[in-house]
Amino acid sequence: EPEVTQTPSHQVTQMGQEVILRCVPISNHLYFYWYRQILGQKVEFLVSFYNNEISEKSEIFDDQFSVERPDGSNFTLKIRSTKLEDSAMYFCASRGVDRGNTEAFFGQGTRLTVV
Amino acid sequence: AQSVTQLDSQVPVFEEAPVELRCNYSSSVSVYLFWYVQYPNQGLQLLLKYLSGSTLVKGINGFEAEFNKSQTSFHLRKPSVHISDTAEYFCAVTARAETSGSRLTFGEGTQLTVNP
Repeated sequence: EPEVTQTPSHQVTQMGQEVILRCVPISNHLYFYWYRQILGQKVEFLVSFYNNEISEKSEIFDDQFSVERPDGSNFTLKIRSTKLEDSAMYFCASRGVDRGNTEAFFGQGTRLTVV
Repeated sequence: AQSVTQLDSQVPVFEEAPVELRCNYSSSVSVYLFWYVQYPNQGLQLLLKYLSGSTLVKGINGFEAEFNKSQTSFHLRKPSVHISDTAEYFCAVTARAETSGSRLTFGEGTQLTVNP
């Protein structure tokens, strides 16, 4: 069964450092997403990406964040200068573009710890 | 914009008892509705979804949910729970659209704990 894969599963970084979280979406999907879940809180939307550009972003997704699909298979989230409050589980998701493809498939997540 | 309210943050039940996890939503447009489950230290797995048609939808692991448009609710039920159902459950909505790129809006989550 196709799945979304994320690497690494856990990353520890020092405050102020740049991090890149990586995702490989399901191969025939065209919509890609990043969500985050701060410990004990709900899952929050960060950004959606389609046709090589951001289609929607939330107020959380400020200038410190960027996304990229560098090679047609990977989908990355970069945090330029991490803050303590960026510590969270980050989930990548993908969805097909056909009318019937309403389900978003989620990866296992990357737990980011900023120290 | 959409919002989702899960009325219970924690639901403890005994094994083999029935359970209902409540979800209400608010939206100015028509929506699709979903329930996701998150087991400890894992990602989100789709339990079931409502797109259209019959208001009672069945999902994996014996769960079902009923869409009630007048009450804007989408409560999740299972007639007899197992220890293995212990997990966090999230209700989510997305706006219906011509394209399928809409974001998911999640509720706060309900921690279901099944005790022996």
